Amino acid sequence: GAVVSQHPSWVICKSGTSVKIECRSLDFQATTMFWYRQFPKQSLMLMATSNEGSKATYEQGVEKDKFLINHASLTLSTLTVTSAHPEDSSFYICSVRPDAETQYFGPGTRLLVL
Amino acid sequence: AQKITQTQPGMFVQEKEAVTLDCTYDTSDPSYGLFWYKQPSSGEMIFLIYQGSYDQQNATEGRYSLNFQKARKSANLVISASQLGDSAMYFCAMREVNTGFQKLVFGTGTRLLVSP
Repeated sequence: GAVVSQHPSWVICKSGTSVKIECRSLDFQATTMFWYRQFPKQSLMLMATSNEGSKATYEQGVEKDKFLINHASLTLSTLTVTSAHPEDSSFYICSVRPDAETQYFGPGTRLLVL
Repeated sequence: AQKITQTQPGMFVQEKEAVTLDCTYDTSDPSYGLFWYKQPSSGEMIFLIYQGSYDQQNATEGRYSLNFQKARKSANLVISASQLGDSAMYFCAMREVNTGFQKLVFGTGTRLLVSP
């Protein structure tokens, strides 16, 4: 069964609006979750590491004020794309790491900003 | 520097044949893990196989095996008896335990097409 769920699976929004994406760990308590972004025909790039109860750690070049991450519980992390623009259109996918030898990904969220 | 290199943008294989997808990596960390994922057109990332840097034997999971050559820093994925459903993008990834902040870094991927 699925280890990670994401909602919504796809979203279309107008430029300037904010979009919230939820990532849920279904089978275990995740103190850390990872948010990746994948542009068409490219690989996955880590955006940030979400830490339960504390601030997220962002990768170089990722604007923390634009991509707000909240990890309020051990099973839920949210990514909010604020004031979305067409260049933010991408596939956003979260991930959890139950142990050192596995890392599972959610089904992803396709965001299209018009 | 590129941590993970997948030099094959695309590969073709006939159904029921075996195929090898190449992956080389670069790290100075003695402790690391290597992962392979399959990404079908739906976009989900499906975990296939894991190899630890200290593992003595090559990892195997069903039709998937990892040809781990530590001295060459290569971790090629071998898919035996290819099936039409194996057509997808395949990504190699590495996590460095001590120097990489436990982050999973991906290669550029290889698109596999299995023909009847």
